[in-house]
Formats: sequence, structure tokens, C-alpha cells
Amino acid sequence: AQSVAQPEDQVNVAEGNPLTVKCTYSVSGNPYLFWYVQYPNRGLQFLLKYITGDNLVKGSYGFEAEFNKSQTSFHLKKPSALVSDSALYFCAVRSPDKLIFGTGTRLQVFP
Amino acid sequence: NAGVTQTPKFRILKIGQSMTLQCTQDMNHNYMYWYRQDPGMGLKLIYYSVGAGITDKGEVPNGYNVSRSTTEDFPLRLELAAPSQTSVYFCASSYSRLPQGNEQFFGPGTRLTVL
Repeated sequence: AQSVAQPEDQVNVAEGNPLTVKCTYSVSGNPYLFWYVQYPNRGLQFLLKYITGDNLVKGSYGFEAEFNKSQTSFHLKKPSALVSDSALYFCAVRSPDKLIFGTGTRLQVFP
Repeated sequence: NAGVTQTPKFRILKIGQSMTLQCTQDMNHNYMYWYRQDPGMGLKLIYYSVGAGITDKGEVPNGYNVSRSTTEDFPLRLELAAPSQTSVYFCASSYSRLPQGNEQFFGPGTRLTVL
């Protein structure tokens, strides 16, 4: 069965510093991986996806994610965090007519 | 486009009451989904539909029913509300199962409390 794991419940980072939100996956076949963000009292918003091709995927709001097949990881990154990036982040994997979501990681960016 | 719309935004039910959560999308998406999100938790799939007239169970379907008579609408029915159904409910849609079209668009959610 397809699954993703987000090992950190919360990540704290100072504004201006780089951030990483971790995700590992377990799939049979080729992985189709996604990142979503949820701001308070809102639905989830799509950030980026990996289907095939370059291991570094660029998405919305300056975020990018690195696909690493050998480590079965798909970590979300941003070179310089903003306070407005504070939100709940979900990793997801396609399976096959639906998405399986991770438990989420709360990102807190401090001024 | 309005995207994915959900009504109501908030609702309080008594145990045993029934209600329908409405979901409509105007993007001509053939795939639609219902999720619930419990406090501090991730999303759990309740039901989904790959097209009008076709529905299938997700991870947590018990206590819920759905129908899909049109492409646009995907209502979720709670027949006998229980406190365990207190949650935030999200509807989502996507164009197809193909990887290129599989990102889901979410509605703003319905916050349901069962007392």
C-alpha cells in the first residue's frame, strides 16, 4: 500500500533562515508525490508535485522539493523562510484514484 | 470560477439528527472527494467519486453516505449524527486520475459539532 510519513509534528525556524519539512514515502511502482499547505481555517492548497524528471521540483511561494529515490524522501525546502509561511504542511502520494496524505507538519517561522 | 464551494460553513447537530453537507465545483472536474480532519490530525478520506453515478468508499465511510448525480455536485449525508463525527469536513475535486491532472482543489470546509 502507498503511504507517506512526516516524522516531525512541528518545525521551528527563524525568519530568513532556510527551512526543510521532511517527508518519506513507501510506494510500489513509480511515486507521484505532492505537497499541500493549509493556512488557519482554510482548505488545503496545492504547492508542488513530482511526477517524473528533475529531482528538484519548484512550486508556489518560493517552495521547492527534492525527490531522492535512494532515500525514499521528498523533502520540502525554502531558502529563506517568511513569517507568512507559518502553516500546516502535508505531503501526499497518489494511490491511484486518490491521494494518501501524511499527518502534517506545523511550520512556525519566528520573526 | 468559484472553484469548490461548501455549505454550510458551520453547523451544530444533536446526537441522532441528520444533515447533508453540500459540495459544488464549477471546474468540470470528474473526480471529487470528501475528507474529514480531526483536531491536530491529518486528512482521512471518507468517500470519493470518479464521475457522475460512480462512488467508492475511502478509509472512514461508516456513518456517511454520498451520491453523485451530476458532475458538479457531491453531497455528503450524515444519517444519525454521533459525537465521533465532530470534525472539519473538506470537499475536493481534481480533473482526472492522470498524474498531470491529479492535484486536488479544496473547498473552505464545514465545521461540524455533534452534541
